[in-house]
Amino acid sequence: NAGVTQTPKFQVLKTGQSMTLQCAQDMNHEYMSWYRQDPGMGLRLIHYSVGAGITDQGEVPNGYNVSRSTTEDFPLRLLSAAPSQTSVYFCASSRAGGAETQYFGPGTRLLVL
Amino acid sequence: AQTVTQSQPEMSVQEAETVTLSCTYDTSENNYYLFWYKQPPSRQMILVIRQEAYKQQNATENRFSVNFQKAAKSFSLKISDSQLGDTAMYFCASRSINAGKSTFGDGTTLTVKP
Repeated sequence: NAGVTQTPKFQVLKTGQSMTLQCAQDMNHEYMSWYRQDPGMGLRLIHYSVGAGITDQGEVPNGYNVSRSTTEDFPLRLLSAAPSQTSVYFCASSRAGGAETQYFGPGTRLLVL
Repeated sequence: AQTVTQSQPEMSVQEAETVTLSCTYDTSENNYYLFWYKQPPSRQMILVIRQEAYKQQNATENRFSVNFQKAAKSFSLKISDSQLGDTAMYFCASRSINAGKSTFGDGTTLTVKP
């Protein structure tokens, strides 16, 4: 049981490049979320999903796309990277319902030059 | 919309002593859940404790307990018998009862001194 896995661990991009951050969970969780954490700050919700085929925007969705074709996977796509997207990105999953514990991946550190 | 405010950016405590971290929140929902997460230098997010808003009894988990004041929208975390391993950033978070959305505060960096 690997929990929540994220790849890559670290990535450097040039402005304007696109890339996909991968997130997978093996706990059969319905809910999955993407957050970004800027230095000295809390987590801000980018996008989330309450099940396969269902996604919605969080607080800071601009510049990011998501899709959820399977229960296990929830990739985050950066369409055209900007320096303001330099951050640490966390993926999380949980069972359905607000009471459920979120399990977080180890994070992906992204640097956009 | 939900907001979560942690007014103490940094705190320190001597080993074996007790420390309280503050959190206030605002929500338009009648039912919700509140959480404290710990983020050590490894960056891994770890659940510390959880409180259901419709329960008046404060949650406890070993050395960790909360003081939940629903009317004041306050949710503080008390750490008793602080240990060096408690050194971390602590985040308060709220979550809707049915939605997959969570809102986090900006965190409090806690340092436990030997």
